[in-house]
Amino acid sequence: QITLKEAGPTLVKPTQTLTLTCTLSGFSVSTGGVGVAWIRQPPGKALEWLALIYWDDDKRYSPSLKSRLTITKDTSKNHVVLTMTNMDPMDTGTYFCAYSRWGSHSIDYWGQGTLVTVSS
Amino acid sequence: QSVLPQTPSVSGAPGQRVTISCTGSSSNIGAGYDVHWYQQFPGTAPKLLIYGSTNRPSGVPDRFSGSKSGASASLAISGLQAEDEADYYCQSYDSSLSGYVFGTGSRVTVL
Repeated sequence: QITLKEAGPTLVKPTQTLTLTCTLSGFSVSTGGVGVAWIRQPPGKALEWLALIYWDDDKRYSPSLKSRLTITKDTSKNHVVLTMTNMDPMDTGTYFCAYSRWGSHSIDYWGQGTLVTVSS
Repeated sequence: QSVLPQTPSVSGAPGQRVTISCTGSSSNIGAGYDVHWYQQFPGTAPKLLIYGSTNRPSGVPDRFSGSKSGASASLAISGLQAEDEADYYCQSYDSSLSGYVFGTGSRVTVL
């Protein structure tokens, strides 16, 4: 059974760096074809893709946020980490990590999401 | 194009058929990339509803169907039920982004 779970701070101050960890279960981040994506959703708004990392360490970023994002994977811990620098109140929202597959590009499984509020 | 415009909202009585459109461009849907649809209830994570433009994952009722034509795609819900009241999002791959693009979202209301 594939599951993903996000963990990180619920509150960050403006200009701080956010670090979120996605713990994977039921699959390995090093298995061929596997991708793990981060997606966010501001309150009452639409989904927004942020970043994606594939099993072979190929990394993709949303162009509008690329300068602020870093995605990495830890094969030994089977988790994926997203960092976002210079947080702003506009970055408030629920952050999801999700399982995807190279080639199909569908997002087959989602974590429950974690709400991050940016406020001083 | 960083987002895919969708029909903002649709409503229908139980048993009726409703459709949601998703408009892409030559770098995503129009380039031949598949469209995927997700259903989201308030306060919960999205769930994959349609993949590969027309396919339903196991467990998704067959009243949900997807189609794609050119640079656009549609999601149809036939025999609308109260439990279908939710937000729906389309998603595709975009070659200019080298990543994913989501739709603006559609709210389905059951009257």
